[in-house]
Amino acid sequence: DAGITQSPRHKVTETGTPVTLRCHQTENHRYMYWYRQDPGHGLRLIHYSYGVKDTDKGEVSDGYSVSRSKTEDFLLTLESATSSQTSVYFCAISQGPGANVLTFGAGSRLTVL
Amino acid sequence: GEDVEQSLFLSVREGDSSVINCTYTDSSSTYLYWYKQEPGAGLQLLTYIFSNMDMKQDQRLTVLLNKKDKHLSLRIADTQTGDSAIYFCAESMTPPSNTGKLIFGQGTTLQVKP
Repeated sequence: DAGITQSPRHKVTETGTPVTLRCHQTENHRYMYWYRQDPGHGLRLIHYSYGVKDTDKGEVSDGYSVSRSKTEDFLLTLESATSSQTSVYFCAISQGPGANVLTFGAGSRLTVL
Repeated sequence: GEDVEQSLFLSVREGDSSVINCTYTDSSSTYLYWYKQEPGAGLQLLTYIFSNMDMKQDQRLTVLLNKKDKHLSLRIADTQTGDSAIYFCAESMTPPSNTGKLIFGQGTTLQVKP
């Protein structure tokens, strides 16, 4: 996972509280993604970014927001966490379309009680 | 819409070949990928194939693509216990969206018995 760091790696929180997950890259890649991984569903795209301040929704974006004020940081925010958002969250980066190889972070495990 | 399907579990004996299968629905996908996830870790790219290819070989890995049936397979020769992991198939979104999004299958858990 060289070049991409997620924080925190583990978090337990209560329903209704805000949560922010951070993804930091040192590769200067243009594209950044947030996926969630749940048993039986594989990885599902939440939001992605194709440049500073340029973001768009993925297939499961409800309840999540993102921000990208710098190339190296992509933040995922749960404004009011719910138990259905208990999951493992993965950040990924890529140089863009074409072969578009994604490099993944180690994941952030979030538990909402 | 896009959908990628995989069987959930495969068990093989060490030294045998493993074949993991995947079907996809987007006939305009330009690239198809195989990723590997070991316990507690993120996904790592194993290999990818461009849609105008039928086969790609990389050491013990062979990828076969049947565009007519929208079927992708990953064959691992001489499977080792270290190959035990979850394997994900993925397809890329194509232009005009051109966003670089990947759609993943549910993942196939490969269990290798000694």
